[in-house]
Amino acid sequence: EAQVTQNPRYLITVTGKKLTVTCSQNMNHEYMSWYRQDPGLGLRQIYYSMNVEVTDKGDVPEGYKVSRKEKRNFPLILESPSPNQTSLYFCASSLSRENTIYFGEGSWLTVV
Amino acid sequence: AQSVTQLGSHVSVSEGALVLLRCNYSSSVPPYLFWYVQYPNQGLQLLLKYTSAATLVKGINGFEAEFKKSETSFHLTKPSAHMSDAAEYFCAVSEGGADGLTFGKGTHLIIQP
Repeated sequence: EAQVTQNPRYLITVTGKKLTVTCSQNMNHEYMSWYRQDPGLGLRQIYYSMNVEVTDKGDVPEGYKVSRKEKRNFPLILESPSPNQTSLYFCASSLSRENTIYFGEGSWLTVV
Repeated sequence: AQSVTQLGSHVSVSEGALVLLRCNYSSSVPPYLFWYVQYPNQGLQLLLKYTSAATLVKGINGFEAEFKKSETSFHLTKPSAHMSDAAEYFCAVSEGGADGLTFGKGTHLIIQP
């Protein structure tokens, strides 16, 4: 089954404690991205990657890092989380920029 | 730069009534346009997409959308609302460039019995 898998799905953490949200896709997609969803703001792109070792900033990259060492994985790293990063995060992938984007089920992150 | 405006953060319709969710876009090139649906506590699911073929696009669950270039609109409709249609709906635009998708702020569809 084609899917995008994120972990953890739910996490409560404390300010400043580094965390990583993993994302993996089994569709051999080249394009992967991370979004955050906040009430009244819709989805905003954090980072995207067009292929292995190629990553670029989206609209709201501050406070986040990503890496793309393998085609299937695109982890989101919060080096020093802050409360304003409390949000619902989605990983997504597609064959190319023009193709349908598939989303993971989301990761609820709370920073206290 | 691409952008999307969804009119109405909340739309309420009666079961069986017409559903109309509005989306206007801004794009410097012919765009790709999408509607996604998000059910409570779930991820986003593609409803339909426009990629410069037919201007009337049919999607899943009885939804359809019409691309109107002159109005820069891509409104989503369904002739008869069902209780199971209650969800958050997002319109999105892509110019096919490296920016990926730009989403609207979403419209919460409420179905009244």
